[in-house]
Amino acid sequence: GAVVSQHPSRVICKSGTSVKIECRSLDFQATTMFWYRQFPKQSLMLMATSNEGSKATYEQGVEKDKFLINHASLTLSTLTVTSAHPEDSSFYICSATPSAGNQPQHFGDGTRLSIL
Amino acid sequence: RKEVEQDPGPFNVPEGATVAFNCTYSNSASQSFFWYRQDCRKEPKLLMSVYSSGNEDGRFTAQLNRASQYISLLIRDSKLSDSATYLCAVNRGSSASKIIFGSGTRLSIRP
Repeated sequence: GAVVSQHPSRVICKSGTSVKIECRSLDFQATTMFWYRQFPKQSLMLMATSNEGSKATYEQGVEKDKFLINHASLTLSTLTVTSAHPEDSSFYICSATPSAGNQPQHFGDGTRLSIL
Repeated sequence: RKEVEQDPGPFNVPEGATVAFNCTYSNSASQSFFWYRQDCRKEPKLLMSVYSSGNEDGRFTAQLNRASQYISLLIRDSKLSDSATYLCAVNRGSSASKIIFGSGTRLSIRP
């Protein structure tokens, strides 16, 4: 089955630090990946669509300069939370699907980010 | 109006009970519908896709009503291990792959 790997699974760092999260499709190529954020007891909120070889598209209200996305290859997308602050503490999850069309997304294990 | 809406629950039912969740979506152009299960502090895992004709997988039955724009999930003979948050997911009509999630319905099965 399609496997998506996310790294790191847990990050604790000081306010002002930039944090990079990696999302890899292990056994398929993904021209598109998605980044979600989930605050405690809330649903997954789509942040942005990561497009291989082109700029990411961000959802309304998500700062593109704050959340930098790079999708340089067909198997890797990265999300960098720049100058993270405590309010950025959240569960970040990526997803991808092996093909276009009406296929379900496969999720990475998620990254729990805690900013002190 | 939210793109995808669910009753947050919680639903607290005894083991063996039948429980049903509904989810409504606002974009009539949506074509893909899914139910995911999420355990505490874990990533969502696909439970089942929802097809126009309805589909069943063991104790789980999913239905789609396009006219009223809602999907449903029925769990029969519930088990303790069914306790989780159930998320409905719908593609945003303009993009086949972009999936929007409901807020999730918490289910707790008691012995």
